[in-house]
Amino acid sequence: GAVVSQHPSRVICKSGTSVKIECRSLDFQATTMFWYRQFPKQSLMLMATSNEGSKATYEQGVEKDKFLINHASLTLSTLTVTSAHPEDSSFYICGGRVRTGTEAFFGQGTRLTVV
Amino acid sequence: GNSVTQMEGPVTLSEEAFLTINCTYTATGYPSLFWYVQYPGEGLQLLLKATKADDKGSNKGFEATYRKETTSFHLEKGSVQVSDSAVYFCALSGRGNTPLVFGKGTRLSVIA
Repeated sequence: GAVVSQHPSRVICKSGTSVKIECRSLDFQATTMFWYRQFPKQSLMLMATSNEGSKATYEQGVEKDKFLINHASLTLSTLTVTSAHPEDSSFYICGGRVRTGTEAFFGQGTRLTVV
Repeated sequence: GNSVTQMEGPVTLSEEAFLTINCTYTATGYPSLFWYVQYPGEGLQLLLKATKADDKGSNKGFEATYRKETTSFHLEKGSVQVSDSAVYFCALSGRGNTPLVFGKGTRLSVIA
């Protein structure tokens, strides 16, 4: 149980275009979703926290107009990188948590490359 | 604020060696503690967890004990295998909207 499916696993897009990453909880209801960005030296940076039906809470320094997060249902959250630039190239990971839980279950990650 | 400190890597061990990865935390209240593992090119998998003091989490031969007095949650395995090669993250969290706070990760390489 507790499976999160993240799609796509890899995407290459041109500079200036937008790309959407989907995160689905397959067998549980994720009342809270977390989006992290992982840098080459492996550290994880929290980008935002979202609750189903509410606006996401972004961490300081994360541009909310650039990284659009939607959590419209208990099983789906999306991250849209708008007007992508090469510096947005990274590994993005989503995680979901049930209402009464403390752990989060993570997707497989998305490797974004902006050329 | 909450924070997690784990030992810097990389750690290189021979197969069947004993593994310890140190993790200490700073937190208000009584957080839950976790170890996650990341295999190359993949996301994070929950390896084990402990939700209160003196709890021992265990899975796949790995174990860690929630030590409130030393604010530690060290990961151990008695005999590592090549397939254990991965990056290991220590993390803590509260409930609800509280996000997980991760350590910087420790890369483990096990050689045959």
